[in-house]
Amino acid sequence: DAGVTQSPTHLIKTRGQQVTLRCSPKSGHDTVSWYQQALGQGPQFIFQYYEEEERQRGNFPDRFSGHQFPNYSSELNVNALLLGDSALYLCASSFPQGTLANYGYTFGSGTRLTVV
Amino acid sequence: DAKTTQPNSMESNEEEPVHLPCNHSTISGTDYIHWYRQLPSQGPEYVIHGLTSNVNNRMASLAIAEDRKSSTLILHRATLRDAAVYYCILRNNAGNMLTFGGGTRLMVKP
Repeated sequence: DAGVTQSPTHLIKTRGQQVTLRCSPKSGHDTVSWYQQALGQGPQFIFQYYEEEERQRGNFPDRFSGHQFPNYSSELNVNALLLGDSALYLCASSFPQGTLANYGYTFGSGTRLTVV
Repeated sequence: DAKTTQPNSMESNEEEPVHLPCNHSTISGTDYIHWYRQLPSQGPEYVIHGLTSNVNNRMASLAIAEDRKSSTLILHRATLRDAAVYYCILRNNAGNMLTFGGGTRLMVKP
């Protein structure tokens, strides 16, 4: 059973460019969350998608946007990249009741984005 | 969100038990205590969670204080593969996100 799949694994972009990261949730999961993890820090919540809608958002600017497709996969888009956007971007999925506190999330291995 | 406090780092010898503490003095009655760990170059991995009673699974045990203001993650026999950053997180049904702190970096010596 495949877990959460993220692509690409590594990416280098130039400041000012735009980037799209992709996530396929674990089989049976329909909710996808995105996190940003800077070097040496814990992950920070960006937003969560359920039923193709953004359900909750963390403290990130509008340059960060997302999308969820009917097959539950998701994309994270970042516009006008800054050097400070360099980080590991993590996708986490859960099944329908999984956002309740009595369940856990499954994370992918992340996409390492470097902005130069 | 109620916050948690963990030591920055801990060391353990291989094949010995490890007790990873977490303080959460402002925990509310509806907060579940979750533990995740992050191995090098990996995403976080769910370990265990509990509400009031101690919990056991194949990975670890969770001991929760009677007043719920602290908890301890117990690895019964540490292996080199257990070297990771361990995060203690409080979750309630009001929020969908996980709020990660700095976690405890566990180093396991052979």
